[in-house]
Amino acid sequence: DTAVSQTPKYLVTQMGNDKSIKCEQNLGHDTMYWYKQDSKKFLKIMFSYNNKELIINETVPNRFSPKSPDKAHLNLHINSLELGDSAVYFCASSHAPEGPGTEAFFGQGTRLTVV
Amino acid sequence: QKEVEQDPGPLSVPEGAIVSLNCTYSNSAFQYFMWYRQYSRKGPELLMYTYSSGNKEDGRFTAQVDKSSKYISLFIRDSQPSDSATYLCAMSHISGYSTLTFGKGTMLLVSP
Repeated sequence: DTAVSQTPKYLVTQMGNDKSIKCEQNLGHDTMYWYKQDSKKFLKIMFSYNNKELIINETVPNRFSPKSPDKAHLNLHINSLELGDSAVYFCASSHAPEGPGTEAFFGQGTRLTVV
Repeated sequence: QKEVEQDPGPLSVPEGAIVSLNCTYSNSAFQYFMWYRQYSRKGPELLMYTYSSGNKEDGRFTAQVDKSSKYISLFIRDSQPSDSATYLCAMSHISGYSTLTFGKGTMLLVSP
């Protein structure tokens, strides 16, 4: 009964390719997120969706496009992959985007390697 | 100055030791404080969640928040080898849409 699940777990691809990562949560949460963890283990927010609406978009290249078909799913599509995109991408969800309940539950991560 | 500062370690302790992990922050708008544990090649998992200044205890874990000093701590009593992981502090604002701002994490190694 995985609460937040991401696929694939590992992704190795060549520069210039387009790839997608999928995320699903079965916690009944309204808010979902994408975080990026770089090689130095620093975890940083990329996007936040509340009830399928984009509410936070940090400074992320527009090659990255999130899509939320419903509030249980948040996918991340990346165009024209670059070497610097190599990182671990975490999907997360929480009850609400503000106040009590902002604690987020994370998926297992997708380790993306661009060669 | 980064918003959240955390010593990356590694912090090595023998089994049974009391561990103290700390973060400082600069933004007084942070009102919610969390500690996450991350095992190697896994996602972060929530350990503790606090709102007000003071202490919160859960089993062997105690979270402490001092908002006047902008300083938070996580204490682990009777540390076990299974506690070996990276511990990340995280915090968020009180109002408006807010996401978590993480520290860089402290790697803890508990030797048997």
